[in-house]
Amino acid sequence: GAVVSQHPSRVICKSGTSVKIECRSLDFQATTMFWYRQFPKKSLMLMATSNEGSKATYEQGVEKDKFLINHASLTLSTLTVTSAHPEDSSFYICSAKAGARGYTFGSGTRLTVV
Amino acid sequence: QKEVEQDPGPLSVPEGAIVSLNCTYSNSAFQYFMWYRQYSRKGPELLMYTYSSGNKEDGRFTAQVDKSSKYISLFIRDSQPSDSATYLCAMSVDKIIFGKGTRLHILP
Repeated sequence: GAVVSQHPSRVICKSGTSVKIECRSLDFQATTMFWYRQFPKKSLMLMATSNEGSKATYEQGVEKDKFLINHASLTLSTLTVTSAHPEDSSFYICSAKAGARGYTFGSGTRLTVV
Repeated sequence: QKEVEQDPGPLSVPEGAIVSLNCTYSNSAFQYFMWYRQYSRKGPELLMYTYSSGNKEDGRFTAQVDKSSKYISLFIRDSQPSDSATYLCAMSVDKIIFGKGTRLHILP
């Protein structure tokens, strides 16, 4: 139980385009989801907290206009990287708290901007 | 001082050895303590999840939390080459803060 599905697992896009990443809780409802970014051989850095039905809370230094988060239902949060540039290339991971079962992570999305 | 400190390694041990991984933290408000395993190019996988001080055992894994010392540990018994991965400690109140992760290599 407590499965989080993240899609796509890998995406390559051209500089200047936008990319949407989906995060779904499959067997539980998640009022809150989290989006992380991870550079090679580095730890996960929290980008924002996604709240169902309200605005996301962004961490300091994260551009909210660049990383658009929408949490329209209790099982789906999306992260859209707008006007992507090569420096946005990274591994993006979502997470949700599944009650007493703790935090579950998606399998991640490898974004490459060329 | 960072909220969570973890030695990045790498740590290399022979197969069958007991592995000890540790983290220290500074925020006494942390309530949940977790250990994640992450293989290359994959998302983190939850190994252990504890709420209170003390030990919690699951198969070959034992998680230990000492809130008075702000110190947590993960022990892996009878280590296997398949245990080779990066191990991240994590703590939370309302959001998770991760350690840098320790790269572990189990040598056959």
